[in-house]
Amino acid sequence: EIVLTQSPGTLSLSPGERATLSCRASQSVSSDLAWYQQKPGQAPRLLIYGASSRATGIPDRFSGSGSGTDFTLTISRLEPEDFAVYYCHQSGSSPLTFGQGTKLEIK
Amino acid sequence: EVQLVESGGGLVQPGGSLKLSCVASGFTFRNYWMHWVRQAPGKGLVWVSRLKSDGTSTYYADSVKGRFTISRDNARNTLYLQMNSLRAEDTAVYYCARGGSSNGYFGLDSWGQGTLVTVSS
Repeated sequence: EIVLTQSPGTLSLSPGERATLSCRASQSVSSDLAWYQQKPGQAPRLLIYGASSRATGIPDRFSGSGSGTDFTLTISRLEPEDFAVYYCHQSGSSPLTFGQGTKLEIK
Repeated sequence: EVQLVESGGGLVQPGGSLKLSCVASGFTFRNYWMHWVRQAPGKGLVWVSRLKSDGTSTYYADSVKGRFTISRDNARNTLYLQMNSLRAEDTAVYYCARGGSSNGYFGLDSWGQGTLVTVSS
């Protein structure tokens, strides 16, 4: 099973700042990596698929990069609605797995 | 508009069984892989199972293999998860999610609102 390790566990930033979230895979997943945002009491929402492609309706302040084992989600300028938990997810190898999440909180 | 609506959750005793349903609308259900993902209270997302569009291929997380069965009825646009031999650690909100199609995989791009399963005596 491929283990995804996200860092940091919690990220404290202010609106307008840049956020950089990391996801590292225990073995290569090629570009089969997605990012999801989840707010309290809500279902997850797809942000990025294929490591770097934005899902439909996702603002361009969200971007993804990486391949193989190291991936990054960047939010260029934080808006108040961006404070949430973010998960990476690999579909390159079964069983599919999720990272443990990064909580992005308001500083 | 794509919609996924789960149902069937509830309170069940350890060792018991439960069957979840997920009714899909707004897209051609028979063309898509479908997934179940769960989330224990206050915890992260855990992938549970996936099923090919035509129902011929199934995959499971090790933690549920042999106890859970994923299935679908494409005529009824419905995905199922039969859960047997339930344990306390199966307590979670269970989400169904849409996966890829013959056009490719573009992430789990639509999710239901989830249904809560509580395993307790």
